[in-house]
Formats: sequence, C-alpha cells, structure tokens
Amino acid sequence: SQTIHQWPATLVQPVGSPLSLECTVEGTSNPNLYWYRQAAGRGLQLLFYSVGIGQISSEVPQNLSASRPQDRQFILSSKKLLLSDSGFYLCAWSVQGVNEAFFGQGTRLTVV
Amino acid sequence: AQTVTQSQPEMSVQEAETVTLSCTYDTSENNYYLFWYKQPPSRQMILVIRQEAYKQQNATENRFSVNFQKAAKSFSLKISDSQLGDTAMYFCAFMKTASNYQLIWGAGTKLIIKP
Repeated sequence: SQTIHQWPATLVQPVGSPLSLECTVEGTSNPNLYWYRQAAGRGLQLLFYSVGIGQISSEVPQNLSASRPQDRQFILSSKKLLLSDSGFYLCAWSVQGVNEAFFGQGTRLTVV
Repeated sequence: AQTVTQSQPEMSVQEAETVTLSCTYDTSENNYYLFWYKQPPSRQMILVIRQEAYKQQNATENRFSVNFQKAAKSFSLKISDSQLGDTAMYFCAFMKTASNYQLIWGAGTKLIIKP
C-alpha cells in the first residue's frame, strides 16, 4: 500500500535561518507531488508541484523553493526564513488515473 | 480562474442531528472533480467524499452525502446522524481533470458537534 511520510512534525526556526522539509512517498512510482501551505484558519494554498524528477512548477512567487532529487522525494527549502513563512505545510501526492490527492501529516512551522 | 467559496466559517450542531455545509465554485470547465476533505485537530487531511462532474448521481459515503447542482455550481455536504468524531474543519476543493491534479480549496468550515 502507498504511504507518505513528512517530517519534521513541528519546527521552530529563527528569522533568517534556512529551512528544509522533506516528504517521501512509498508504494507507488512516478507520483505527482505537491507542497501546500495552510495559514491559520485558512484553506490550502498550492506552493509547488512536480510531475517528475527535477521538474518543479511554482504557483506562488515567494521565499521558498522546492526540489525533487528522486522520484518519490520532494523537498521544500528556504535560504532565509521570514516571519510570514510561518504556517502549516502539507505534502501530497497523486497518480494518473486516481483522481484524488493523499496527504502527509503536515509540518507546523513557526518562525520567531 | 477557478474559485471555491465556503460561506460558513463555523457551524455547530447537537450530536445525532443532520448538518449541511455549503460550497459554491466558479469555473468555465465542463469536466472536473469536487471533493470534501476533513481536517480534525490532528491536522491530517482526510478525504470524505468525491464527485465527478459528469455524473448526475450524487455521491454518498455512509453518513456523508452531497447535493451536487452543476448548473448552479453548488456542492453541499450533508452529514447525517452527526457524531462527536465529526468535529473538524471541512474543506471543499475543486480539481480540473487536466491540471496535474492540482486542487483549489475553499477557506473551510469549522464544524463542532456538541454532546
């Protein structure tokens, strides 16, 4: 069966520090991968999606970047965090023919 | 551009009652999918129910059912015999069929089931 792992679950980082959130999927090949951000009391905003290794599409210009070094690995990064980067980050995956997105447990990021 | 609107920020009902959550959307697409996701306090996003736009029959999943009105671009969720475990944020989401499965989300409705 397919599973998705996302870590860490919580993270407190000072302003100006780097960020690396990792997401891995097991049990499927060539998934579409997504990073979403959820601000407090709000819906989800798509940040990045990837349809293959090294292929990243950005939906919102910002302080963040994403990379996909392996088929089932998706990394969200920042060189210097801003206070506005605080939020709940969710990784998700989907595959062709399965019209549904499956979500990780999420990472609560607090920038102080 | 597609948009999804949930006009009820918060709702509360007594346990065992029936509750309906509203969702409207705007699109020029003809083929698409609509979803209701549940996000309990654990923050895990869980799919509740899915509706294909080309299907006229409303989707049902046990106590959960939808009222899909394509012409009106309305997609409401009905929860029957509500349970305490139904307490969560509920999100309506839209997906174009040819969009790399990207989801567009409403702002959510906080549903509280009271004992």
